[in-house]
Amino acid sequence: NAGVTQTPKFRVLKTGQSMTLLCAQDMNHEYMYWYRQDPGMGLRLIHYSVGEGTTAKGEVPDGYNVSRLKKQNFLLGLESAAPSQTSVYFCASSRTLTYEQYFGPGTRLTVT
Amino acid sequence: AQSVTQPDIHITVSEGASLELRCNYSYGATPYLFWYVQSPGQGLQLLLKYFSGDTLVQGIKGFEAEFKRSQSSFNLRKPSVHWSDAAEYFCAVGARGAQKLVFGQGTRLTINP
Repeated sequence: NAGVTQTPKFRVLKTGQSMTLLCAQDMNHEYMYWYRQDPGMGLRLIHYSVGEGTTAKGEVPDGYNVSRLKKQNFLLGLESAAPSQTSVYFCASSRTLTYEQYFGPGTRLTVT
Repeated sequence: AQSVTQPDIHITVSEGASLELRCNYSYGATPYLFWYVQSPGQGLQLLLKYFSGDTLVQGIKGFEAEFKRSQSSFNLRKPSVHWSDAAEYFCAVGARGAQKLVFGQGTRLTINP
């Protein structure tokens, strides 16, 4: 049981490049979340999903897109990366209505 | 709307000393409250949670937290800290029927030998 995994762990992009971050969970959780963590800002919710085929905007959705084609996977895409998207990205999942979230190890993204 | 405030950005304590990390929340109904810990370079791990019932909850690693409705607080405590407790601690609040948690800005804990 791996829990929540994230791919890749590190990535450096140039401004304007695109990339996709992959989150996978093997706990059969309905809810999945993408956060970004910046110094002094805590965790900010980017997008979330309440089930396969659904997505919703969080607190800071601009510049990001997501997809949940399979229950176990939640993809975060950056179509045209900007230096302001330099951050550590965390994925999390939870069972419906329990609110206890399980986090992945994070992806450190640098945009130059 | 829910909100969470962790008033202390950084706290330093000596190994073996007691610890209390503060968390204040804003929410009209009974909140669901959580404390998470993040070790350097790692993801967040759940320390403890409060949904209802006994207002003093026990968690992993010897931590406990007390829900005080009158003070809108959910402070985290440990009687005697260990060097391995050095980490960042996040308080979070949810609500019945809500679909997401709101996190505080975190408190960084440094342990002096």
